[in-house]
Amino acid sequence: GAGVSQTPSNKVTEKGKYVELRCDPISGHTALYWYRQSLGQGPEFLIYFQGTGAADDSGLPNDRFFAVRPEGSVSTLKIQRTERGDSAVYLCASSERQAPYNEQFFGPGTRLTVL
Amino acid sequence: AQTVTQSQPEMSVQEAETVTLSCTYDTSESNYYLFWYKQPPSRQMILVIRQEAYKQQNATENRFSVNFQKAAKSFSLKISDSQLGDTAMYFCAFNYGGATNKLIFGTGTLLAVQP
Repeated sequence: GAGVSQTPSNKVTEKGKYVELRCDPISGHTALYWYRQSLGQGPEFLIYFQGTGAADDSGLPNDRFFAVRPEGSVSTLKIQRTERGDSAVYLCASSERQAPYNEQFFGPGTRLTVL
Repeated sequence: AQTVTQSQPEMSVQEAETVTLSCTYDTSESNYYLFWYKQPPSRQMILVIRQEAYKQQNATENRFSVNFQKAAKSFSLKISDSQLGDTAMYFCAFNYGGATNKLIFGTGTLLAVQP
């Protein structure tokens, strides 16, 4: 079956612009995660959705970052007034349900470059 | 706070040889889960192996096995009969469950398998 997909694969934008990153999880997966991976680092947690609601957004760095999942499937990560420090790979993952042992399946990520 | 440390930024191994990647972690939780993920240049994170802390037996998946030392908070990955396709970044990750089930990653080890 289809895995987690993310679009676009790469996004180049200018400082101050608004961007949206999209994640299509595996069908039927209720749990969805966003992570950010800066160059030379491991992924860092941003936000977790269980169904439509953001159950934990403690990893969002500031109020320029926002994410939604209105129908409990596709999720969009939104970044306002982008800064050069936002440049990173943004990874999305989904799992069948929220449980520690449930494997999180990752998408290929969106590489965001802020000029 | 939970932390994961990978002290080997880069490793190299000859094809068909065995290599061990190190990982240590810090937590006050009594039960938790540990994972090794592989990230090839395609950026897709792939689960290699996982271990539940309450299980004393070390996990094994084909050529991949772990040495889990709970008292020492150590979780190393052994790759036997290394293959060229094993060349990738390897991330150790920790998850204690809680309300989020978020993964906490180390900084990664870049493994190069030489022909």
